Amino acid sequence: DIVLTQSPDSLAVSLGERATINCKSSQSVLHSSNNKNYLAWYQQKPGQPPKLLIYWASTRESGVPDRFSGSGSGTDFTLTITGLQAEDVGVYYCQQSYSTSPEHMYNFGQGTKLEIK
Amino acid sequence: QVQLVESGGGVVQPGRSLRLSCAASGFTFSFYTFHWVRQAPGKGLEWVAVISEDGDNLYYADSVVGRFTISRDNSKDTMYLQVKSLRPEDTAVYYCAREEKYTGSYHFDYWGQGTLVTVSS
Repeated sequence: DIVLTQSPDSLAVSLGERATINCKSSQSVLHSSNNKNYLAWYQQKPGQPPKLLIYWASTRESGVPDRFSGSGSGTDFTLTITGLQAEDVGVYYCQQSYSTSPEHMYNFGQGTKLEIK
Repeated sequence: QVQLVESGGGVVQPGRSLRLSCAASGFTFSFYTFHWVRQAPGKGLEWVAVISEDGDNLYYADSVVGRFTISRDNSKDTMYLQVKSLRPEDTAVYYCAREEKYTGSYHFDYWGQGTLVTVSS
């Protein structure tokens, strides 16, 4: 099974500054057939369901502000929020969808809680 | 607009059963694969189950296999999760989520608001 480990577990960043969240996969999620990384990022604000931010590791979902960006390939990925705003507070999760067995294809990282310093 | 609305949660005793529903609107339900994802209080997201567009392909997390059954009724634009032999550790908000169809990346592009299942005696 692919295990996703996020770091840090929590972080506090000042308004207007940059927040960086990491996601490390126990196996590569880069598919050789299409050179795509099967890695997505979600944001969950308090009391709300998760919201898709990024897929293919770096493709921003329609409507997501461009201060959110994703990078990385293979086993190491980063979600960066530049110019942090108060509304960005919440928990961020990475998710892989690479595994060939459907039962193990959709697991999430443990989450990273983002707060304002 | 796309809407997913879960229902059927509640307080239930250990060992009992519930059926959760996810009613969809705003798109062609039968075109999409759907998932259930749960979140225990104060914890992270746990994928639970997936069902294909036609309902023929079903897969479950190891933690629920044999106790949970995912199904759908495309004539009613609704997906279900039958949960049996409930345990206290099944206490969670249960979300339904739609799997994005056109990129082939298998991510979840829409989520419902969730329904809370509390297993307690």
